[in-house]
Order: sequence, then structure tokens, then C-alpha cells
Amino acid sequence: DGGITQSPKYLFRKEGQNVTLSCEQNLNHDAMYWYRQDPGQGLRLIYYSQIVNDFQKGDIAEGYSVSREKKESFPLTVTSAQKNPTAFYLCASKAQAGTETQYFGPGTRLLVL
Amino acid sequence: SQQGEEDPQALSIQEGENATMNCSYKTSINNLQWYRQNSGRGLVHLILIRSNEREKHSGRLRVTLDTSKKSSSLLITASRAADTASYFCATDDKGSNYKLTFGKGTLLTVNP
Repeated sequence: DGGITQSPKYLFRKEGQNVTLSCEQNLNHDAMYWYRQDPGQGLRLIYYSQIVNDFQKGDIAEGYSVSREKKESFPLTVTSAQKNPTAFYLCASKAQAGTETQYFGPGTRLLVL
Repeated sequence: SQQGEEDPQALSIQEGENATMNCSYKTSINNLQWYRQNSGRGLVHLILIRSNEREKHSGRLRVTLDTSKKSSSLLITASRAADTASYFCATDDKGSNYKLTFGKGTLLTVNP
């Protein structure tokens, strides 16, 4: 069953805590993306990676960090520096060449306790 | 930064009617894509139209693109209750380095 998986579905963060959201894909896609979605809003790009061991900041990278050690995995850490982390986080991937379509995971909802 | 802006923000119609959503953008693009999102779920790609195309069809979907007006429209014909979702346009801007810029979306409700 090919696709993108995100875990957990819901995540609770305490004040001052770092939390990591998982994103895994078995589509053999080169590029991966993290977006944040607030209620009634569109998607805003946090970080993206076009190739293993390389990633770039998106429009709202402050308070977030990523790594891309494997092609299949692109975890996102929400650090304590992100003062308003409550949102719906979506991971996506795209084949580097031949298509411009992004494929999305089911999302992780992050809530602050 | 938000590139695409959808209009209207919300649309409520009866089953069987057509639904039209519009998207405006600001810069030159390589292509424009439409995505659908059911409540609390990920996005699903619907259709892509390139900057040198004017109209494209896929099943009950019809997309138009007017690069002179920097606008696109998505028409869903013979709507069904299952079409209830949020619809987003996303632009692949020239020089964007494979990034998409999403609008805020149109919430479509199709009443049975």
C-alpha cells in the first residue's frame, strides 16, 4: 500500500517542550515538504527538501527544524521557540522530475496543553 | 506568502447544481493546480493546468486559466453530496524552485 504516512494523528505539547512529527513515504519521491494549516486558512510552507541531506527554509521556518537523513523520511521538530504551535501539520512529497503534483499525508494535529 | 486567493470563501449549493470557484494570483506561473481537502484530512490533487493551456477537463471537473487576468476557475458539474470539501488552488511560480503557493480555499457544501 503505497503512500505517505504521518504520525501521530494527534500530538499534545507541554510548555517548553520539543516535539517531533513523523513523515514517511514509500513512493520513491525525491522532494518532501512540510506545511502548516491554521483554521480556515490555506497551507504555509515550513521547510522543504529536494534531496537527501539537503533542505531549505520555507516561509515560516522560525521555531521549527527538520532533517533528511533518508529518502523515505522527513521528520519535523516543533521547538519551544515556536510560540504558537497549535495547528494542523501536513507533509507532502513529489517526484523530482516528470510531475509537479504533490502527494499529501493525512496530517498531524498539534495541540498545546 | 499567499499567492492564490479563492473566491468565494464559502459556497452552498443543492445536489445536481454546478459549482464554480475562482482563484486569482499575482506573479508569473509555470502551472496552477487545484486540490481538494475533506475536513481534517490531507489534500488530494484534482487537476493541473499549465501556463500555455486555457482549459482542461477531467471527469466532472473543468478548469480554465487566463494568464492575462492572472485568474483560474474550477467548475464542478452535477455536484454530489460527496463533493463537500474545501478546494484550494496552488501556483507553481516561475523561479520558485519546485515550491507551491496555496490560497486560503473555498469551502463547498453540497446539500442532498
